[in-house]
Parts: sequence; C-alpha cells; structure tokens
Amino acid sequence: QKEVEQDPGPLSVPEGAIVSLNCTYSNSAFQYFMWYRQYSRKGPELLMYTYSSGNKEDGRFTAQVDKSSKYISLFIRDSQPSDSATYLCAMSGYGKLTFGQGTILTVHP
Amino acid sequence: DGGITQSPKYLFRKEGQNVTLSCEQNLNHDAMYWYRQDPGQGLRLIYYSQIVNDFQKGDIAEGYSVSREKKESFPLTVTSAQKNPTAFYLCASSMAQGEGRTFFGQGTRLTVV
Repeated sequence: QKEVEQDPGPLSVPEGAIVSLNCTYSNSAFQYFMWYRQYSRKGPELLMYTYSSGNKEDGRFTAQVDKSSKYISLFIRDSQPSDSATYLCAMSGYGKLTFGQGTILTVHP
Repeated sequence: DGGITQSPKYLFRKEGQNVTLSCEQNLNHDAMYWYRQDPGQGLRLIYYSQIVNDFQKGDIAEGYSVSREKKESFPLTVTSAQKNPTAFYLCASSMAQGEGRTFFGQGTRLTVV
C-alpha cells in the first residue's frame, strides 16, 4: 500500500463547476499538507499549505484536512479553463515529503 | 525576485555522456531536493540535502550524483550509468528537510539523442 493515494483521474468538468480532489494517507506522522498545481512542462506551484485539521480558504480554493480519517481534499469553486492542470497532493513530517500521483483536471468552456 | 532557478530548460544528451543540471535558490533554505517526473508517474526522489556538504540518496539515486558545496546550489549530474535518463527533472527546496512549505523550480527536460 502506498503511503499517499490520489485518484489520477482524468477529471473533466464544465466551466463553473465545483471540483473536488482527494487524497488519503496511511502514516499518522504526517503534519504538513500541501496542494500543488502543475501546468504542462512547468514546475509544480504551491497552491495551499496547512498543518491542522479543518478548512483553509484562499479565493476559489479550499483545502480540507481530516487527520482522524487520514483524508485531505482540495475544492475549486467556479472552475475556469485556466484551472486545467495536474494537481498534486503532498504531505510531510518526520523529515520526509511524500507526493500523490497527481490528478489531471480539464475544465472545458 | 526570490525563488528557485533551474537551467537549462531543455538539455540534449548523447549516449555515454554525463550532463549536469543546475539548481540555484535564493530563499535561504537549508534543504534541497531533486525529483524525476515521467509521463503518467508521480514525482520520484533522486537525492536530497539537508545542509551544506551533506546529501542522501533518495528512491532512485542509481546513475545520478550531486554536490552541495554552497547553500544556494545543488547541481545534479546524470551519468552515463543512468540507462533511461530521458525525463523531466525538478529541483525543490524547503526550510528544513521534509518540513513546511516546499517550492519547486521550473524544471529541466532532458532528452537522450
């Protein structure tokens, strides 16, 4: 079993939809949780960073962490074609950083 | 303008050649990393360094070498021993190894010709 599991998709939604991206993990030592957005042929861009259970909002993006269930989510409201990218979850703690496989998202006009 | 700079953006290597990928950061981060990304696969850790003059192998270190002579710089050499080097290489850094926010450069695409 992988330490971090992420549904690779692909996920295709119409413009304006609410998108939900999810990751589960098995190691309770993870303390920091991140979401990255990666456009084709570019480096991953840090979108959200949190270290506690609960919700964190930044514009159209909301990161949710449930440590008791070992589950994190990223919600994108009013999705735009420019949100089309690969989204990577990442978790760190005890000196280790682990990534999910990434979910490919396409938002079509 | 703070961040991580990788160069070159594109690199072509002939069979049997060693090539070096550059990574420089001005974020004053102690920890630096090299990842490899292949189509349809996640990020795989090649090497990481927690502090100057120290580095550790990651999951796929065979055929690669690194150095960390300066805090700001963490070059990666892809040697001829790496049998399948064509990939997208990403450099990253964080304040401390495996802790907190981790930032990435824009990547180097290496192709064997």
